[in-house]
Amino acid sequence: GENVEQHPSTLSVQEGDSAVIKCTYSDSASNYFPWYKQELGKGPQLIIDIRSNVGEKKDQRIAVTLNKTAKHFSLHITETQPEDSAVYFCAADGSSNTGKLIFGQGTTLQVKP
Amino acid sequence: DVKVTQSSRYLVKRTGEKVFLECVQDMDHENMFWYRQDPGLGLRLIYFSYDVKMKEKGDIPEGYSVSREKKERFSLILESASTNQTSMYLCASQIRENQPQHFGDGTRLSIL
Repeated sequence: GENVEQHPSTLSVQEGDSAVIKCTYSDSASNYFPWYKQELGKGPQLIIDIRSNVGEKKDQRIAVTLNKTAKHFSLHITETQPEDSAVYFCAADGSSNTGKLIFGQGTTLQVKP
Repeated sequence: DVKVTQSSRYLVKRTGEKVFLECVQDMDHENMFWYRQDPGLGLRLIYFSYDVKMKEKGDIPEGYSVSREKKERFSLILESASTNQTSMYLCASQIRENQPQHFGDGTRLSIL
């Protein structure tokens, strides 16, 4: 079935360093890849998304890259700050065209001051 | 901004009770979703709805049902609550497919 694998499950970086989270997906028909940030006690919030006709997208300190051939996509956070500490989820849409998203297992990012 | 409101942040119920979790969105979105979130397992889809009175099973529908009588409201029902349904429940809405899903802040449900 459709699957999204996310790595690493935990990531600890020093403030100011970069953080990279990687995901792979199984359904070659997937076209939409959002990333969510979940802070403690809150629901996931969309931070950036990318579609299959684009290889890279950037929004200030965050960027996402997509390699459709390899079925990989990654989140890059530069100049990390303590407020970036949260759980991050990647997701991919399925081929059923129902709006369903398949989520990765999540990455807990800790940014040490 | 899209607002998805879940009726309770915390809920404690007893085994065997019928439990209702309510979710309301204010943006006239077509699609709505119920997930449960457990440590190490990410978000797992329970049920979703793409229109009023329409519903489809997700990956883990056993022990749950849903109701969507009005476009803005999507209810999750635990017919007879069991301890293994203790979890964080998240509701999301989406204007249409291939668009972002917008989440509520979740209901932490404990079944004793």
